Amino acid sequence: DAGITQSPRHKVTETGTPVTLRCHQTENHRYMYWYRQDPGHGLRLIHYSYGVKDTDKGEVSDGYSVSRSKTEDFLLTLESATSSQTSVYFCAIAPSDYEQYFGPGTRLTVT
Amino acid sequence: DQQVKQNSPSLSVQEGRISILNCDYTNSMFDYFLWYKKYPAEGPTFLISISSIKDKNEDGRFTVFLNKSAKHLSLHIVPSQPGDSAVYFCAASARGSSNTGKLIFGQGTTLQVKP
Repeated sequence: DAGITQSPRHKVTETGTPVTLRCHQTENHRYMYWYRQDPGHGLRLIHYSYGVKDTDKGEVSDGYSVSRSKTEDFLLTLESATSSQTSVYFCAIAPSDYEQYFGPGTRLTVT
Repeated sequence: DQQVKQNSPSLSVQEGRISILNCDYTNSMFDYFLWYKKYPAEGPTFLISISSIKDKNEDGRFTVFLNKSAKHLSLHIVPSQPGDSAVYFCAASARGSSNTGKLIFGQGTTLQVKP
């Protein structure tokens, strides 16, 4: 158990509504990541954080924002959800320079 | 621009036989490679990794081979077991402060091990 939880685990929302996903770690790791998984694309990095209030964009960051006010929490926000953001979202932490450990995922459906 | 590719979406093998999953990459700056296993409704779990200074790493039934000249790596599972049925992702990373921790994933290969 890597000590990562995600909430909610499932969410259905309507187009145009804001959505916030939460990632919580108990490991006190500096680096945290948000990915989305889609068929045919594997996992793609959305945003990552290298410390409290320190974040940067990944390869598919458009339409997403993040915040990290505490070491243990990393929030992913969809300001105005679109159907193209229907996906499974995974949070990860990095206990070493390379290896990452993933949370259980959040399945988001935008109708 | 798919820097990491898994060209086989699926693979089916008989229990007890060898499973070979393949992965190709294009970025010569990648210096660390990982394999993850994913069951439905769960997050990916780390399986095995290899540094670019090695050409083989073994952990129990799992062995990863790296061919840098061909920019190719493979995961061998011997013997395959029904519990190995899952989606397998390869991932790659490049050293450097701007790339710290960034993993680039392949599309995944679904392995089915038949009893």
